[in-house]
Amino acid sequence: DADVTQTPRNRITKTGKRIMLECSQTKGHDRMYWYRQDPGLGLRLIYYSFDVKDINKGEISDGYSVSRQAQAKFSLSLESAIPNQTALYFCATSRGTDSYNEQFFGPGTRLTVL
Amino acid sequence: SQQGEEDPQALSIQEGENATMNCSYKTSINNLQWYRQNSGRGLVHLILIRSNEREKHSGRLRVTLDTSKKSSSLLITASRAADTASYFCATDPTDKLIFGTGTRLQVFP
Repeated sequence: DADVTQTPRNRITKTGKRIMLECSQTKGHDRMYWYRQDPGLGLRLIYYSFDVKDINKGEISDGYSVSRQAQAKFSLSLESAIPNQTALYFCATSRGTDSYNEQFFGPGTRLTVL
Repeated sequence: SQQGEEDPQALSIQEGENATMNCSYKTSINNLQWYRQNSGRGLVHLILIRSNEREKHSGRLRVTLDTSKKSSSLLITASRAADTASYFCATDPTDKLIFGTGTRLQVFP
């Protein structure tokens, strides 16, 4: 079984709809991250969480919100989706015990907003 | 803004040749990591080099780091068609990673 899973894997929605992307991990890591990737670009950080009670904005948090329901679960919501939020979204985890924070990625969610 | 920028943006080579990708960054770092991404898939960690290291090897991978020039290179020796992917550097000027824009490597059989 995959260590970091994301649901759904693909989603097509319409402008104005509320969307939730879910991430679960079995690695026992404290730190979790949400990124988006646009064609030809690297990953940009949306939100991150270093433990269940810690939520931090990343580089591009506007239009997004998150919920850390448990150590193993971190959800990303688009309250009112817009077309420029069409992208590939990745969840990642890391141990966070020191600065050598290798990250482990989920398979991604391809979101299309019409 | 991106901390790291890879060069070249795209690279095409034949199997058996070596592939070299470069990464430049802007601020001081604790370590630099390289990741691989197969088309549309999640990133996979390849190798980490600490700021006090100059060179590191892992199998066919060789990474160098020059902190005075704020640059790193990833060398893949004896490339294979299966090495076809995008490669990203990632730095940690703070307590989170910042990814570069990536190099798309195509290895032709």
